[in-house]
Amino acid sequence: KAGVTQTPRYLIKTRGQQVTLSCSPISGHRSVSWYQQTPGQGLQFLFEYFSETQRNKGNFPGRFSGRQFSNSRSEMNVSTLELGDSALYLCASKIRVIDTEAFFGQGTRLTVV
Amino acid sequence: QQQVKQSPQSLIVQKGGISIINCAYENTAFDYFPWYQQFPGKGPALLIAIRPDVSEKKEGRFTISFNKSAKQFSLHIMDSQPGDSATYFCAARSNNNAGNMLTFGGGTRLMVKP
Repeated sequence: KAGVTQTPRYLIKTRGQQVTLSCSPISGHRSVSWYQQTPGQGLQFLFEYFSETQRNKGNFPGRFSGRQFSNSRSEMNVSTLELGDSALYLCASKIRVIDTEAFFGQGTRLTVV
Repeated sequence: QQQVKQSPQSLIVQKGGISIINCAYENTAFDYFPWYQQFPGKGPALLIAIRPDVSEKKEGRFTISFNKSAKQFSLHIMDSQPGDSATYFCAARSNNNAGNMLTFGGGTRLMVKP
């Protein structure tokens, strides 16, 4: 069974640009969560999607948004990139929202220059 | 606001020794406490987890001790091996009608010396 797949693995963008990251959950998993990992702030929750609906949202500005498609694949978008957005963006999937075990992908390393 | 505090930030242990990582939380509504292991270039992987109605859980060389009254929990790695060298994160899950989310500790970088 394939794990959580995130694309691309690495990305370099210029300040002010926008970026879209993609996450394909494990087959059969319908809940997808996004986390930002930085050396200074650690792992922080961005949002969770289930059945194409955002179920929960962390404390991030509106520049961070996401969506989920009918096949459970999810994308997150960051607009007007800032240097501080440089981070590893991780996606985690679960079968259902109430499930406890979340399976993480390898992440997308975003560098903003 | 960091709701889960993890210590130490880094830890060096000799092969065969015991590695101990501690976490403390504030939110009494947390209902699930997992530990994740992360190797460089990889995403975090669930190692072991505990619910607050249990004081201890052991899986192989890994044990979680949980003290609900003190709002603290810890990970013990017995007979530590060089292959255990990784970054470890404790986490706590908050669960509400909207959904749930994990709040992570700051991480502990463990190095096990051969």
